[in-house]
Parts: sequence; C-alpha cells; structure tokens
Amino acid sequence: SQQGEEDPQALSIQEGENATMNCSYKTSINNLQWYRQNSGRGLVHLILIRSNEREKHSGRLRVTLDTSKKSSSLLITASRAADTASYFCATVRTGANNLFFGTGTRLTVIP
Amino acid sequence: DGGITQSPKYLFRKEGQNVTLSCEQNLNHDAMYWYRQDPGQGLRLIYYSQIVNDFQKGDIAEGYSVSREKKESFPLTVTSAQKNPTAFYLCASSPYALQGAEGRGYTFGSGTRLTVV
Repeated sequence: SQQGEEDPQALSIQEGENATMNCSYKTSINNLQWYRQNSGRGLVHLILIRSNEREKHSGRLRVTLDTSKKSSSLLITASRAADTASYFCATVRTGANNLFFGTGTRLTVIP
Repeated sequence: DGGITQSPKYLFRKEGQNVTLSCEQNLNHDAMYWYRQDPGQGLRLIYYSQIVNDFQKGDIAEGYSVSREKKESFPLTVTSAQKNPTAFYLCASSPYALQGAEGRGYTFGSGTRLTVV
C-alpha cells in the first residue's frame, strides 16, 4: 500500500516561477524524503527531513514538515526547464525498514 | 564511480515464462530493495533485504522471488505466477538496514522495463 499522496498530480509553470508540491501521509514517521524522477529513469534523492525538523533548505529547494497535519511541502524556487520531472515524497514509518512512496507530482517547466 | 547497475534496460517476456532482472551495487550498502512502478502510480515495494541471505516480502510480493547470496547482488525473478508483470522495475540500496539512510536516502538504479509479449 502506498503511504501518501502528492498534490497536485500535475503542475505546469513558466521558467523562473516557483513550484510548490504537497505531500500527505497516513502514519507516524521517522523521516520524510523527496525524490526526483526524469522520464524513464531511476529516482534521485533530493532532500531528507526528520520528524523533529520543521524546515530544511538545499540550494533552490525548501522542504517543510508538519507532523500534526501529516503533511510536507516541497518548494522549488526560480524554476528551470531542467527541473521538469516527476517528484515523489517518501516516508520511513516509525519502526519500519523501508520507504513508502506517494503517487508523485508531474512538474513541467516551460522555457 | 559507485552506483547501482540494473540490466537489462528492456526485457520482453512470453506468457508462462520466468525472467530474472539483475541488480548489482558497488556502494557497499547493506540493504537492497525492489520496487515496481506502474503509470500513474507511485512505487510499490516488492521485496527488500537487509543483510546477505535474508530478505522480506513487501506489499506486492506474489509472483516474484529474490535471492541475496552476495552483498552486491539482489536479482529479482518474475515468475509465471505474476499475471500482470508489464511495468517498470526499480532496484535501490541504502547503507543502513533500519530507518533508511539518514541524510542520504536511497540510491536507485536506472530501471528495467518489462513487457509481456
């Protein structure tokens, strides 16, 4: 069973704009991770936020986590055409030994 | 360079045939995982292994089998019992068996696309 869902399912923006994707999950977690997948390729790890953290930054990425609402958001600032990909959130449930993935957001950045 | 290698990139299976997907890593990671990805869906866990000679079923293990005879290798066999095997299969690894790899997440291979003909 999948742990969470991303919202929106698809997002289309102009280059230079910011992109925000949201993730909701169902159970208590140890950490939440965001991954990127280019079409037909494997996933690439972007950022990890632990359950006791509320916000984390990495370059143009900003991730927030609200454990009371069981939700997270990924913000990509100043988007580029190369950011076009699918983005997945994944959680490590408390006591579990593997990742559970959401359904993904398909981001298209128009040059 | 260290990484995960999946082969083949494309695989075609006839009805009633077993096929094996290869996954090899040179990252010295303890844990390895197999996920299946269907269009419009996220990744679903098939099997995972935390240590050599041990593996656990994931959410959709029926019709699949694995082995972990070496730390570097975690092959997945899609058996004839898997009635709808057409999908994109992804192998991943992480350096820690518990709670994911703190700070670094999983490393994924580039995937194998399996099609039933």
